[in-house]
Amino acid sequence: DAGITQSPRHKVTETGTPVTLRCHQTENHRYMYWYRQDPGHGLRLIHYSYGVKDTDKGEVSDGYSVSRSKTEDFLLTLESATSSQTSVYFCAISESKIGQAYQPQHFGDGTRLSIL
Amino acid sequence: RKEVEQDPGPFNVPEGATVAFNCTYSNSASQSFFWYRQDCRKEPKLLMSVYSSGNEDGRFTAQLNRASQYISLLIRDSKLSDSATYLCVVIRHGGGNKLTFGTGTQLKVEL
Repeated sequence: DAGITQSPRHKVTETGTPVTLRCHQTENHRYMYWYRQDPGHGLRLIHYSYGVKDTDKGEVSDGYSVSRSKTEDFLLTLESATSSQTSVYFCAISESKIGQAYQPQHFGDGTRLSIL
Repeated sequence: RKEVEQDPGPFNVPEGATVAFNCTYSNSASQSFFWYRQDCRKEPKLLMSVYSSGNEDGRFTAQLNRASQYISLLIRDSKLSDSATYLCVVIRHGGGNKLTFGTGTQLKVEL
């Protein structure tokens, strides 16, 4: 399995509090991603990073910010958590393209976040 | 219309059966294709990439039809352990290395 560790694995918190989720990789992959998964929606990209300090928004980025100060760590922050952000959050990593071939992503175990 | 669409199922099949799933994608610029497997409350895991000429990995066969914009996954001799949700994934040309996921097709293999 790819060396990806997400922390915490479970968290329950209250509306309005800040929350930070951490993704740590030991593969030295360039790309890192944060997704959320909700019933009926599948996996949706929140933010991604293509290098240290290089990040970009995904399709559901509102209410989330990210930071990547080291290759191995990608942090997802909910500045003021809302109940709509209750979800399962997955981190993923991938290598750069090889020629024209995109490389598949490998996922961490997920973080179950409940906002009450 | 969703960019990637799958029949959610569930597909209930007996052990040993052959089952096939289709997935359609709407963006003709889609360039790379994958099937992932996700067990209940677990992370998605790469099952196989899908190549233009079709490819096989043991009991699993993937096909790509660019003209009709769909990919398929065929599972032969189904095992109980194949019970899972199968996610169709595409990457668009020019979209960076960003995956677009279908919502998944649930397979239940029964005795």
